[in-house]
Amino acid sequence: DIQMTQSPSTLSASVGDRVTITCRASQSISSGLAWYQQKPEKAPKLLIYKASSLESGVPSRFSGSGSGTEFTLTISSLQPDDFATYYCQQYNIYSWTFGQGTKVEIK
Amino acid sequence: EVQLVESGGGLVQPGGSLRLSCAASGFIFSSYEMNWVRQAPGKGLEWLSYISGTSKTIYYADSVKGRFTISRDNAKNSLSLQMNSLRAEDTAVYYCARTRPFVPFDYWGQGTLVIVSS
Repeated sequence: DIQMTQSPSTLSASVGDRVTITCRASQSISSGLAWYQQKPEKAPKLLIYKASSLESGVPSRFSGSGSGTEFTLTISSLQPDDFATYYCQQYNIYSWTFGQGTKVEIK
Repeated sequence: EVQLVESGGGLVQPGGSLRLSCAASGFIFSSYEMNWVRQAPGKGLEWLSYISGTSKTIYYADSVKGRFTISRDNAKNSLSLQMNSLRAEDTAVYYCARTRPFVPFDYWGQGTLVIVSS
């Protein structure tokens, strides 16, 4: 299976900060990468697919980049609603796998 | 509006069985691939199984292969997961999630909790 490693595991930031989360794949996954946001007791929400395509309805402050084995999720100006856990997921090769998650906390 | 509603979770003893269901509405169910994903308490997400729109293609994660069976009834807009030989480590919230071309999971249900304990 392809291993997905996110960093950092936890991130403390303030409203208005620019935030970057990294996701590394154990082998090339081309652009088969998605990002999700999850709040406590809620289902995950799709933010980004195909590494850099913004899902409909998702604010433009979210962006994704990368290909191959290294990917980033950037929040250009952190808003109060963005404090949550973020997961990357590869879907290039079955079986699909997720990163371990990055919790974005209030500083 | 797309809606996915899971049901069937509960408390089951180790070695027991449980059948989860996911009722879909707001879209042409037969045209979409579907999946099951789970999340153990306080842990991350784990993809479990995929089924194509026609049920012709099915995949499983190694952790559930041979114990879980995914199926769908397009006439009833329903997705199922039959879980046998349950273990304590299968305790989790189970989500159904829709797949569209080039997009893995665009809609998720609210989840149903399965607890495997004696």
